[in-house]
Amino acid sequence: DTEVTQTPKHLVMGMTNKKSLKCEQHMGHRAMYWYKQKAKKPPELMFVYSYEKLSINESVPSRFSPECPNSSLLNLHLHALQPEDSALYLCASSQEAHYSGNTIYFGEGSWLTVV
Amino acid sequence: GIQVEQSPPDLILQEGANSTLRCNFSDSVNNLQWFHQNPWGQLINLFYIPSGTKQNGRLSATTVATERYSLLYISSSQTTDSGVYFCAALRDKLIFGTGTRLQVFP
Repeated sequence: DTEVTQTPKHLVMGMTNKKSLKCEQHMGHRAMYWYKQKAKKPPELMFVYSYEKLSINESVPSRFSPECPNSSLLNLHLHALQPEDSALYLCASSQEAHYSGNTIYFGEGSWLTVV
Repeated sequence: GIQVEQSPPDLILQEGANSTLRCNFSDSVNNLQWFHQNPWGQLINLFYIPSGTKQNGRLSATTVATERYSLLYISSSQTTDSGVYFCAALRDKLIFGTGTRLQVFP
């Protein structure tokens, strides 16, 4: 059983819609991540939050807006997306941020289709 | 940045066969993890192995950090082993390898 929960599992949205992806973990981890994965490609880092503060933004377009309301929750707000943004979006968490070398745990992902 | 390459890119096995997956990384790393991505997309942790050897049932992994590679061994493969296997190396961030797609047939 995954201890990182993502909702929704599937999302279809139009290019003018505003939607959000949600992620929750109850492992007491202080670092949370968003990754994007296109078909037949490895996951690519988008954002890192450490102690509820954004620590890494991998030059992600502003139509993706992350939010960390508290240490257990991570949201990804989506607005004016393009069809090429269709992908699997993976949330992950770890005890501390990347550089500490902790094991990273992933959720089941949210499959996003932009039409 | 660090490069992480995996081989082979694709592997087709019959149930019961053994296999070895390789992960090469271009620079020293703080951490090396192996994941299995199932057909539904979830990345499942297999090993956290910055160096040495670990075993978990039919799976084992070895990382030789000084030579910048890691190996994942799958013995007596089962159809449920099918999916994509990623290694991921940590420097300042986690970099995923190119992946090995494994198909196990009955």
